Order: sequence, then C-alpha cells, then structure tokens
Amino acid sequence: KAGVTQTPRYLIKTRGQQVTLSCSPISGHRSVSWYQQTPGQGLQFLFEYFSETQRNKGNFPGRFSGRQFSNSRSEMNVSTLELGDSALYLCASSVSGRDTGELFFGEGSRLTVL
Amino acid sequence: AQSVTQPDIHITVSEGASLELRCNYSYGATPYLFWYVQSPGQGLQLLLKYFSGDTLVQGIKGFEAEFKRSQSSFNLRKPSVHWSDAAEYFCAVVHTGGFKTIFGAGTRLFVKA
Repeated sequence: KAGVTQTPRYLIKTRGQQVTLSCSPISGHRSVSWYQQTPGQGLQFLFEYFSETQRNKGNFPGRFSGRQFSNSRSEMNVSTLELGDSALYLCASSVSGRDTGELFFGEGSRLTVL
Repeated sequence: AQSVTQPDIHITVSEGASLELRCNYSYGATPYLFWYVQSPGQGLQLLLKYFSGDTLVQGIKGFEAEFKRSQSSFNLRKPSVHWSDAAEYFCAVVHTGGFKTIFGAGTRLFVKA
C-alpha cells in the first residue's frame, strides 16, 4: 500500500510569505503528526491530529498552524515566514496515535526561506 | 519531563566492525521506545521498538536493541556493519497520554571501507 506522501518536496519562499504543506497518510491511518527537522534543533514536534482534532501541540509560535480533513489528509501552514523557518518538515502517520503507535514518515518537504 | 539523550553526535566504524549506538531516556514508568533510521534526503524508517517483555528486541536490517531499566538505556547494536548502514539514527520515546513521540538529537553513523 502507498506510503505517506508529502507535497511539495522542495520549495523556496522569501521572508514574509506564507506556505502550505500537504500530507496524505497511509490508507487507514487516522493520526497525523508534523515535525520540523533542522541541523541545530533536531526533530521538533509541531502538532498531532486525529479525526480532524488537534490533540497535542509543540512549542511553536502561532504562525505555525495545521488542520486535518475528514479523509485524514493534513496540511500545515506557516505564515510570515522567517529565515529560521528553513527546515525539513516531516509528516508521519499512525493508525491511531495511541501510546504504542509507531510512526510512518513521509520523505519531507524541504523549505528554504530567503 | 520526558527526554531522550543520544550522547554521540557522530560515530565512525569500519565496515564489518560491530556497532553500538547509545540512548538514554528520562521517564517515570515503563517507556515505549523506538529506534528510527534516516538516510540522506529521506524520511525516518522504524528499525525496532520495545513495549514490554523480552528486553532484547530484534529489528530489521540485522539490528537489535537492549532495554536496561536500571540504566535507563536502550542501546542499538549490530554485529557487523555494512556500508549501506551509513545514516542518521534516532532514538525515540512515546509521550504517554500526550500523543507525541520525542526524539533524541540523533547519531550520524559513518562507515569506512
């Protein structure tokens, strides 16, 4: 079955712009998590969605937002981009996001902010 | 607060040599622990996981890990490294009740011929 699909894979934006990233989870997976990966900070948790509800959120400013649709696809949005937002944004899905849930990752969306 | 520490930022081993990557966690109860691997330009792939039971767990690609409660450790091992094992390895713990997984900073493995 198809894996986690993230689009776009690469994008370049300038400061002040906004960006929307998309994630399609594995069929049947209802939980989607987002992570920001940078060389200095590693993998930082952004938020997790299950059945269109955000269940947890990391320590990121309000410029970072997300949502999940009824088909479990998820989007994240970053508004008013800053240079420091340049990163690999990873989406991961799991069956239910319960405590024992292993994560299945997409290949990521690499964002460069100029 | 739960945390995961991978004390080695990078490790270099010779092909065919054994490997051990260290992971220490901070958690109040029995944790759910994972090791993931990330090849350049790729997402993360699960190598193995520990929930309960036998403290030595086997994973894919010939990897194994041992859970030691007394040392709060979950070290990853492989008896003979292949050049294709060069990648970044992440130890992770599930944040019970918080619906999130916490990752260590990662250890980059270099394999020399």
